[in-house]
Amino acid sequence: SQQGEEDPQALSIQEGENATMNCSYKTSINNLQWYRQNSGRGLVHLILIRSNEREKHSGRLRVTLDTSKKSSSLLITASRAADTASYFCATDFKAAGNKLTFGGGTRVLVKP
Amino acid sequence: DTEVTQTPKHLVMGMTNKKSLKCEQHMGHRAMYWYKQKAKKPPELMFVYSYEKLSINESVPSRFSPECPNSSLLNLHLHALQPEDSALYLCASSQVRLTEAFFGQGTRLTVV
Repeated sequence: SQQGEEDPQALSIQEGENATMNCSYKTSINNLQWYRQNSGRGLVHLILIRSNEREKHSGRLRVTLDTSKKSSSLLITASRAADTASYFCATDFKAAGNKLTFGGGTRVLVKP
Repeated sequence: DTEVTQTPKHLVMGMTNKKSLKCEQHMGHRAMYWYKQKAKKPPELMFVYSYEKLSINESVPSRFSPECPNSSLLNLHLHALQPEDSALYLCASSQVRLTEAFFGQGTRLTVV
């Protein structure tokens, strides 16, 4: 499968702590994106990192990309209860057209 | 308007029924997607339309029939579904040069 694999599958932390999740993929990408999903409803785009970028920040989010290892990480700093959700990486593989493929996801629980 | 609207939100149908899921966006996006998501799993790509033409069909059974009548609308026609087709069906749209995808809230389908 070309899909990204994510770890951990689930993460439980206290409010204020940082949450880190990782994503690995198998083939060359155009870009890698991270999405959040609350309670099995629609996905919300968080951040996109292009294949020629190594790190990107957006608010409390920090994403890294290592194309040599075909991996990415998402760090959420100073987590809040409202960050409780499932987080998915999604890859747009080269030569695959508009094919946005999702990894397995990490379920994050932030305890107040 | 950065919204993708899906109707209905919930649908219960029998295995002999014919129903349709609808999706609408007014962001000028010329790529639209259908995804299927089972509980605690990532979204799985079903179909991609680019400039109102079907560009990707991920070997989806013919009981699912997509239609893109114009650049703002995407339909998914359902016929003779099986109970295992019960899932959350997500519609998304993006620029054709894929960057951020915008998702609707989904239709939760139950086949009885």
